[in-house]
Amino acid sequence: QVQVQESGPGLVKPSETLSLTCTVSGASVSSGSHYWSWIRQPPGKGLEWIGFIYYGGNTKYNPSLKSRVSISLDTSKNHLSLNLRSVTAADTAVYYCARVDLLGEYFDYWGQGTLVTVSS
Amino acid sequence: QSALTQPPSASGSPGQSVTISCTGTSSDVGGYNYVSWYQQHPGKAPKLMIYEVTKRPSGVPDRFSGSKSANTASLTVSGLQAEDEADYYCSSYAGSNNPWVFGGGTRLTVL
Repeated sequence: QVQVQESGPGLVKPSETLSLTCTVSGASVSSGSHYWSWIRQPPGKGLEWIGFIYYGGNTKYNPSLKSRVSISLDTSKNHLSLNLRSVTAADTAVYYCARVDLLGEYFDYWGQGTLVTVSS
Repeated sequence: QSALTQPPSASGSPGQSVTISCTGTSSDVGGYNYVSWYQQHPGKAPKLMIYEVTKRPSGVPDRFSGSKSANTASLTVSGLQAEDEADYYCSSYAGSNNPWVFGGGTRLTVL
């Protein structure tokens, strides 16, 4: 059974960098048949796709966040990381890590999510 | 503002059927058969309910069904049960530049 778990600081100051880790068990983050993606949900609002990373380290980001975001893989630890720079209060959200099925373009396994608040 | 448009709320009595719509454009919903639907209970992670417009993952009751016509996709929940009360989100593949877009979500209430 695939399990996904996000972790990281729950509070980040404005202008600083938000850093989260997604640890995966039951599947390999270096699988060639899936992407690994970050998605966020501001309080009381809908879902927003942030970006994905693929085996070999290839990435794609939401154009609206592209200048501030980076996603990386650590295959030795079977996890992926998210960095979002120069955060503001608008980046306050629950951040989810999810696996993407390449054939059907859907998110089949999600973590429980982690709330990150941007505040001084 | 979300890329896909969903009604903010829907409701039905136990045993009834409810349909939730998801309207996009020819660049997303209308352009690909890659619409998926997710159920989210309060404080929980989204759960895949429908993928590739009409397919159900193993374990999802056949009371849940999906369809699409032109730029609008729909999720129908038949034989409503109390545990179906949740938020539902649609998503569509939208091309290589910005691959996935979501709807704003629909809160389904079982009366």
